[in-house]
Amino acid sequence: EVQLLESGGGLVQPGGSLRLSCVASRFDFSEYGMSWVRQAPGKGLEWVSGFSGNTGSTYYADSVKGRFTISRDNSKETLSLQMTSLRAEDTAVYYCAKSNLPIVGATAFDYWGQGTLVTVSS
Amino acid sequence: DIQMTQSPSSVSASVGDRVTITCRASQGISSWLAWYQQKPGKAPKFLIYAASSLQSGVPSRISGSGSGTDFTLTISSLQPEDFATYYCQQTNSFPLTFGGGTKVEIK
Repeated sequence: EVQLLESGGGLVQPGGSLRLSCVASRFDFSEYGMSWVRQAPGKGLEWVSGFSGNTGSTYYADSVKGRFTISRDNSKETLSLQMTSLRAEDTAVYYCAKSNLPIVGATAFDYWGQGTLVTVSS
Repeated sequence: DIQMTQSPSSVSASVGDRVTITCRASQGISSWLAWYQQKPGKAPKFLIYAASSLQSGVPSRISGSGSGTDFTLTISSLQPEDFATYYCQQTNSFPLTFGGGTKVEIK
């Protein structure tokens, strides 16, 4: 069974930085697109950023563009999200999610991690 | 960006009821739509892709239909484990967007 394990969440002050990691296992990580999806407390799902397949193309929601950077290390089967200039509205559970198809482009997500909570507060 | 609008935002139903949730896209997305189920404190669970294809392991009482801008998720006979929040997501283009969610509650 596919496993995705996030880490790196925590409490950070407004304007601060945080780096999230997601370690993947039990599938060919390099072949699939990966994304970060977040959920503010009591709210719905919001896609944040993603990699499309193994082309190296990256995508961002407007709400995080210029502040967040997604990266992946296929040799370590790890997806990362570097978050800077954090704001209160970035407070959320951040999920790592695997694309359901090994294609380039937008996809659905068939496996999700358990999530890591990021709280931005002074 | 493609906006996804779900209705209703919540529905109260009893075990055995038929429940239908609607998702509308702000522009045509062909059949590029997925559905998820989420229970409190848990990660979303993948139910349906390409508007109507059931993910392996998902019970057949759950089905999806639609194309273009209008889509539906139907639970033919609601079971206790189906009480949850359901989200649609367009997979047509980046940025990926989700509907606001529909909470299925016990009547």
